[in-house]
Amino acid sequence: AQTVTQSQPEMSVQEAETVTLSCTYDTSESDYYLFWYKQPPSRQMILVIRQEAYKQQNATENRFSVNFQKAAKSFSLKISDSQLGDAAMYFCAYRSSASNYQLIWGAGTKLIIKP
Amino acid sequence: ETGVTQSPTHLIKTRGQQVTLRCSSQSGHNTVSWYQQALGQGPQFIFQYYREEENGRGNFPPRFSGLQFPNYSSELNVNALELDDSALYLCASSRDRGVNQPQHFGDGTRLSIL
Repeated sequence: AQTVTQSQPEMSVQEAETVTLSCTYDTSESDYYLFWYKQPPSRQMILVIRQEAYKQQNATENRFSVNFQKAAKSFSLKISDSQLGDAAMYFCAYRSSASNYQLIWGAGTKLIIKP
Repeated sequence: ETGVTQSPTHLIKTRGQQVTLRCSSQSGHNTVSWYQQALGQGPQFIFQYYREEENGRGNFPPRFSGLQFPNYSSELNVNALELDDSALYLCASSRDRGVNQPQHFGDGTRLSIL
């Protein structure tokens, strides 16, 4: 069975600095997608960035980028120039046809931004 | 473009009761997934509906059931409520059921069981 692990329950960063959130996963599949979602106190899950496993190039969305290491089954999220609005729970998630199309989630990392 | 909407926002029930949660999918989306998120945890997949048929199910007992309507809105029904059912219930819709389709989430329904 596929699993997703986020080993950092909480991270803090100074405003305008860079922070990296870690995620590892376990799967025997070769074709899958990885996602980072953000959940602010408003509760809505917001898609931050996604990575297709067959693409070697790391995905980037403005200040957000990933470091995808397929062989190591690692998928970390880097947030540059951190802003107060980035404070939220961040969830790493996995999806494949073998996982019955469901998103399989990590336990989340709480990101605190210090002004 | 209207996003995913869920109702009600918050609900309080007692053990043994039944509850129905509702979700309106985003315009143009034919797939709806339901997740249960206990406090301080990541979401757990309950089931997915694609074009009115259940398309996949997680490890939830049969007292968790659902429906999808011709307009692709959906309901989650839970019978014989237990204290452990207290959680945030998230609905997500997507344009199709494909693995590459991003899921768009609603604000969730907070269910409290007394």
